[in-house]
Amino acid sequence: GQNIDQPTEMTATEGAIVQINCTYQTSGFNGLFWYQQHAGEAPTFLSYNVLDGLEEKGRFSSFLSRSKGYSYLLLKELQMKDSASYLCAVTDSNYQLIWGAGTKLIIKP
Amino acid sequence: ETGVTQTPRHLVMGMTNKKSLKCEQHLGHNAMYWYKQSAKKPLELMFVYSLEERVENNSVPSRFSPECPNSSHLFLHLHTLQPEDSALYLCASSHSVQATYEQYFGPGTRLTVT
Repeated sequence: GQNIDQPTEMTATEGAIVQINCTYQTSGFNGLFWYQQHAGEAPTFLSYNVLDGLEEKGRFSSFLSRSKGYSYLLLKELQMKDSASYLCAVTDSNYQLIWGAGTKLIIKP
Repeated sequence: ETGVTQTPRHLVMGMTNKKSLKCEQHLGHNAMYWYKQSAKKPLELMFVYSLEERVENNSVPSRFSPECPNSSHLFLHLHTLQPEDSALYLCASSHSVQATYEQYFGPGTRLTVT
C-alpha cells in the first residue's frame, strides 16, 4: 500500500530552527508537496520538490531525497505565527496525490 | 472575491436532513476537488472534477452526491448522513487534475451530524 509518515506533533521555541520529516512509500514518484494549515483554516501551499536537493524560500526550506523516500521541511527563526499543522503530500506514478496526516507544530515563547 | 470560497462555513444537521455545500473558485482553474478532513487523519479525497466531468470517485457512500454545473462551481449534496460523517469538508481547485500543480483550498465547511 501507499504510505506517508510524519510525526504527529512537535514543539519548538520562538527564534529557533525546527525540522519536520516526511517519509513515503508510494507506487512511483512525481513530486512532493508541503502545505501549511493553521487551525480552522485552509491548507496553503508552501513548496514542491521533484528533484533531489534543497529548495530555499525565505525562512522555509524543503529537502528531498528520492532514493531514500525522504523529505524534510526546515523552518528557521521561528515565529509564533508558524504554529500550525504541516502536511506532506506525494504525487504517485498515476499522478494521484497521497497525503500524510500532518504534523502539528507548537511554538513556545 | 478571490481564491476559493465555500458556504456555509458551519453546518449542523440531523441524520434525516438534506443539505448542500457550495464551492466557488475564481482562479480560472480546470480541476476541482472535494476532500474530507478528520482529526489526525490524512486528507481523504472524495471527488475530482476536470472541466465539469467527474474523473474520480474514491468509493464514497452514495449519501454524498457531487455536482459540477460549470468549471467554477462545485456542490456536495448531503442526505441521510451518519454521525461519523462529521468532519471538515474542504473544496480545492488546481490548474489541472495532474497532481503536479499546487491546489488552492477553500476555508472548509465544518459539518456536525447529530
